[in-house]
Amino acid sequence: DAGVIQSPRHEVTEMGQEVTLRCKPISGHNSLFWYRQTMMRGLELLIYFNNNVPIDDSGMPEDRFSAKMPNASFSTLKIQPSEPRDSAVYFCASSLVAGVRTGELFFGEGSRLTVL
Amino acid sequence: AQSVAQPEDQVNVAEGNPLTVKCTYSVSGNPYLFWYVQYPNRGLQFLLKYITGDNLVKGSYGFEAEFNKSQTSFHLKKPSALVSDSALYFCAVRYTGRRALTFGSGTRLQVQP
Repeated sequence: DAGVIQSPRHEVTEMGQEVTLRCKPISGHNSLFWYRQTMMRGLELLIYFNNNVPIDDSGMPEDRFSAKMPNASFSTLKIQPSEPRDSAVYFCASSLVAGVRTGELFFGEGSRLTVL
Repeated sequence: AQSVAQPEDQVNVAEGNPLTVKCTYSVSGNPYLFWYVQYPNRGLQFLLKYITGDNLVKGSYGFEAEFNKSQTSFHLKKPSALVSDSALYFCAVRYTGRRALTFGSGTRLQVQP
């Protein structure tokens, strides 16, 4: 299995530009999570999907952030317009959730975003 | 509030010595607890989890963790540390009724040769 695949691994952009981060979860997993990691705030959950449906987006910072999951094998996280404070490492993770039990999350390598 | 706490920002241990990385939780009901490790510029890797059953959980790379309900703790342990164990370790909890994990602030483990 190739694991969770994220792209790009690194993105440097200027303030005001649109940023799109992509994620391919592990085949067969039914839940997908977007996390953000910064030195100041640690790992924060942004949003998660179950069976392609957004379940909890309370962690999305503001309207500049949006996430979609058009099918079971692809998700995007978009920031428009980007700001310097959005600089962070963004992780995608997937999991197989069956019944009331949660399997462990499998993380991608992350997308390091720098907004100048 | 339901959460996990990692009271130590950094733990230093000599190679060959036992190591402990501490985690306490504050979750009502029966918590699901996890440990992850992160190496530089990498994603988080799953080490072990406690769902139910035996309080001593064994995981990857020789790590184990003990669930202690009376002390609300889930400390990560290893009998003999390796230099290659040096990394950032995260404790995480699954809230009742929620599928996402909430992570602690992380503890940096430094194993000295």
